[in-house]
Amino acid sequence: DTEVTQTPKHLVMGMTNKKSLKCEQHMGHRAMYWYKQKAKKPPELMFVYSYEKLSINESVPSRFSPECPNSSLLNLHLHALQPEDSALYLCASSQDSSGAEDQPQHFGDGTRLSIL
Amino acid sequence: SQQGEEDPQALSIQEGENATMNCSYKTSINNLQWYRQNSGRGLVHLILIRSNEREKHSGRLRVTLDTSKKSSSLLITASRAADTASYFCASVPRKTSYDKVIFGPGTSLSVIP
Repeated sequence: DTEVTQTPKHLVMGMTNKKSLKCEQHMGHRAMYWYKQKAKKPPELMFVYSYEKLSINESVPSRFSPECPNSSLLNLHLHALQPEDSALYLCASSQDSSGAEDQPQHFGDGTRLSIL
Repeated sequence: SQQGEEDPQALSIQEGENATMNCSYKTSINNLQWYRQNSGRGLVHLILIRSNEREKHSGRLRVTLDTSKKSSSLLITASRAADTASYFCASVPRKTSYDKVIFGPGTSLSVIP
């Protein structure tokens, strides 16, 4: 079992739908991340939140909208997605981003998203 | 952007043999990490080596780092069927936020019982 919980595990949606992915951790971590992973490829960083503030946006299209309601929760709001957005979306957390180097990331098992 | 390359892309070995995976990266780094990903699961952190370290051990894992060649290797000794997974190196480039981990393309390891 992972310490980062992602829901739902699977999501199928049409291109006009609005849905949200959720991520939760209770390790007291203050940095949280969203990654996109296509089949047989490495994870690609999308967003980083540090102390509940967006610190990195890797030029992600605006149809993906992140939100960090509190230090334990991270959401990814989806709207008007394209078929090429079908992928595994991974959430991760780490202790903080205040300059400490030894900060492994803890990953959830992801949400497998399919866009029809 | 992709920071590193991994070699080989796929590796198939018999149980009990050793598996070696290599990773190269392009820019100076703060640290380099290795992660494992089982099919359909998230990534699991295995080991982290700092830029001023040359070798590190954790159980059956041995990681080396050669900053002059911008390369790292992961050795798994006495492999088991449960080691079957994809393995990714991940580097934290120097002069960037410590948050920005960049993953290599990965090595798919199959351990045959």
